[in-house]
Amino acid sequence: SAVISQKPSRDICQRGTSLTIQCQVDSQVTMMFWYRQQPGQSLTLIATANQGSEATYESGFVIDKFPISRPNLTFSTLTVSNMSPEDSSIYLCSVEGDTSYNEQFFGPGTRLTVL
Amino acid sequence: DAKTTQPPSMDCAEGRAANLPCNHSTISGNEYVYWYRQIHSQGPQYIIHGLKNNETNEMASLIITEDRKSSTLILPHATLRDTAVYYCIVRVAYTGTASKLTFGTGTRLQVTL
Repeated sequence: SAVISQKPSRDICQRGTSLTIQCQVDSQVTMMFWYRQQPGQSLTLIATANQGSEATYESGFVIDKFPISRPNLTFSTLTVSNMSPEDSSIYLCSVEGDTSYNEQFFGPGTRLTVL
Repeated sequence: DAKTTQPPSMDCAEGRAANLPCNHSTISGNEYVYWYRQIHSQGPQYIIHGLKNNETNEMASLIITEDRKSSTLILPHATLRDTAVYYCIVRVAYTGTASKLTFGTGTRLQVTL
């Protein structure tokens, strides 16, 4: 299994500012995924990040709002830009395991509150 | 990916078996059934998956009907630590962008004393 850490674990931010969330994996992985979980809701995929290429965004999510970096095979960042209270959510990164199960392993999440 | 339907909530007494149903009537022949759970304030955790045969691991058993239109996750001896939201997801099982997970609303399982 993969061990994933995220920084920060939580933050409270002001409207109009930006926050960069870091995701670190203890092994090299090809694909990393970023999800959003709004209060009381299920998880929604934001984008898929491959090392060395542009991230692929899901419908409803755009690069200007959620720029993603993937500089190497163990690290990725998600930035939430020009934040509003509607961006208050838990943001989670995940990676795919290297077994035939294709299971995904999730980080602990970053709880973001925008005032 | 095919959609799934799960009851929004269930209760189970500690020590008893928890049987969580899932309907996936539009599942395709190359799609697997995956189960994840999310304990409060944590990231989702993989539990088990299967194609058409029943599966068992150290966490749970998965029973898939012969027509593959529904399945049941069984926690044989539920404990308070099994209180979580359980997600049933169907998807093809190969790496790539198609391996993204589409989460439904899940079943909130409450295990009580």
